[in-house]
Amino acid sequence: SAVISQKPSRDICQRGTSLTIQCQVDSQVTMMFWYRQQPGQSLTLIATANQGSEATYESGFVIDKFPISRPNLTFSTLTVSNMSPEDSSIYLCSVEKGMNEQFFGPGTRLTVL
Amino acid sequence: GQQLNQSPQSMFIQEGEDVSMNCTSSSIFNTWLWYKQDPGEGPVLLIALYKAGELTSNGRLTAQFGITRKDSFLNISASIPSDVGIYFCAGPKDDKIIFGKGTRLHILP
Repeated sequence: SAVISQKPSRDICQRGTSLTIQCQVDSQVTMMFWYRQQPGQSLTLIATANQGSEATYESGFVIDKFPISRPNLTFSTLTVSNMSPEDSSIYLCSVEKGMNEQFFGPGTRLTVL
Repeated sequence: GQQLNQSPQSMFIQEGEDVSMNCTSSSIFNTWLWYKQDPGEGPVLLIALYKAGELTSNGRLTAQFGITRKDSFLNISASIPSDVGIYFCAGPKDDKIIFGKGTRLHILP
């Protein structure tokens, strides 16, 4: 498994501002991912964070809105830019270890006013 | 796109009862994953299944990889209050993991 921490654990932000979420893993991993979980919903993949190259975004998510950094094999950041109330969600990072097994961080609960 | 259909959407049970939930897909999966999410937490991997017909246990939890490779089942025996949460099935498709919509388990006082 993997021990994953996220910062902040929660935040309340004003419309139009940006928030950067950090994800730290206790060991080096190749694959890191960012998910969004809207209230009462399942998990939706935002992007794969690639070390040394640009993130790979899923349909409906763009780099201008969700810029991602992956400076090394244990750390990644996701920024939610120019926020609106529709961005209120839980944002989760995950890592892949073993055969298709993903392990999740505790999540960042974002509320946009 | 690909979908995993979980059933039931929610369950209300008495403490001590056994629980059964399932996950189906229109396409074949080579791996089935079951996660549990407690309120305010990230999902935690409970059981991973890799072979059709495989039956795997983790304490009071038992999961099975369906023979057709299009479904999986999760059973919880003798439920306790800490079993409350959302149970997600998941599987790999096109280099990513997709998730079902979850089964919410409630335990009545």
